Amino acid sequence: GESVGLHLPTLSVQEGDNSIINCAYSNSASDYFIWYKQESGKGPQFIIDIRSNMDKRQGQRVTVLLNKTVKHLSLQIAATQPGDSAVYFCAENIGTSGSRLTFGEGTQLTVNP
Amino acid sequence: DTGVSQNPRHKITKRGQNVTFRCDPISEHNRLYWYRQTLGQGPEFLTYFQNEAQLEKSRLLSDRFSAERPKGSFSTLEIQRTEQGDSAMYLCASSFRTVRNEKLFFGSGTQLSVL
Repeated sequence: GESVGLHLPTLSVQEGDNSIINCAYSNSASDYFIWYKQESGKGPQFIIDIRSNMDKRQGQRVTVLLNKTVKHLSLQIAATQPGDSAVYFCAENIGTSGSRLTFGEGTQLTVNP
Repeated sequence: DTGVSQNPRHKITKRGQNVTFRCDPISEHNRLYWYRQTLGQGPEFLTYFQNEAQLEKSRLLSDRFSAERPKGSFSTLEIQRTEQGDSAMYLCASSFRTVRNEKLFFGSGTQLSVL
């Protein structure tokens, strides 16, 4: 399943499928990007980050892709599990200063068993 | 529990009252942030501290808001003369900045409801 960010803030997938969550960022000067997962009643939880000198970074079951040409970021989750159900936010940052962390709107991912 | 701790988890107050929230960051982190989040939106930056120094404040932080981190450890966020528009989740985050990146670790937040 795949989201288109602001125009489709919800994504529903079957357990075991791969998920793709998209994010369009706003500032061409942003050079550090982070994906956060937020479950109901909890604060955002760090998933994975990527600097602008990279196009791709992989973690455990997650991959982040960065396309600076079109200012687009995506999060791929492999073999999605019910525990992955949450709201996912991308955040952009200029320099290494967290003070300018700007969050996107978020995408609600629902994983159906 | 070695994560970021926030108290209280929930606060209900009447318009015009003052409220204060507390944040205890991860102990070795030198930076502490306050963000505000409304339903369905991403967190918005309010202010941050490096040790005890408040280095930046967002224009979202009106004069009714004040934050302190007196000893460079825990922090408090006070809202005076609360308004209904202040109702939101107030999130605290901490980090240890390195040359390459700065990962923010968030607490569970304080949910404020102004009646």
